[in-house]
Amino acid sequence: GQQVMQIPQYQHVQEGEDFTTYCNSSTTLSNIQWYKQRPGGHPVFLIQLVKSGEVKKQKRLTFQFGEAKKNSSLHITATQTTDVGTYFCAPNTGNQFYFGTGTSLTVIP
Amino acid sequence: DSGVTQTPKHLITATGQRVTLRCSPRSGDLSVYWYQQSLDQGLQFLIQYYNGEERAKGNILERFSAQQFPDLHSELNLSSLELGDSALYFCASSASGGAHEQYFGPGTRLTVT
Repeated sequence: GQQVMQIPQYQHVQEGEDFTTYCNSSTTLSNIQWYKQRPGGHPVFLIQLVKSGEVKKQKRLTFQFGEAKKNSSLHITATQTTDVGTYFCAPNTGNQFYFGTGTSLTVIP
Repeated sequence: DSGVTQTPKHLITATGQRVTLRCSPRSGDLSVYWYQQSLDQGLQFLIQYYNGEERAKGNILERFSAQQFPDLHSELNLSSLELGDSALYFCASSASGGAHEQYFGPGTRLTVT
């Protein structure tokens, strides 16, 4: 069955440092979505990647989909305190909706 | 505000009881998803409905059931509740049943005592 590993589980960074979270699947994915959940909040959709090798940017956030469509990453440049939260990948293999275990990001001012 | 509403916000009940959680999707969205989020299990997909029909099933226990009504709102029924069912239950909606972005509601926090 579908297995999704997201690493690291926790990350503490100084404000201004970069941050990366990785999502790895045991199977080839149709697409992958990324969500952010602020403390006490609900997941909010960030982006969807569909094509092999796709790279998308949203201001300081860069999302990548691996060539084999089995892994993905989210990179944040120069973190800010507003980046605090848990980042989830959500791989899609058809009719199942899995969320990665999430990476909890703490930004130290 | 995602446009997805969930009621109630909080629910405290005893073991063995039955509860119903309600979700109204965003206007125009046909698909509703239910998720369970607990500290040790992360965000677990339970079930998806599309335009009134069950579309996909995840790790949903037999004690749990759901339905989507003609007006597209959905209910998640949890019965014979156990302490381990204490969690945050999210509903999400999307425009269609495929790989589209999901909009999450604020969640219902269930505490079983």
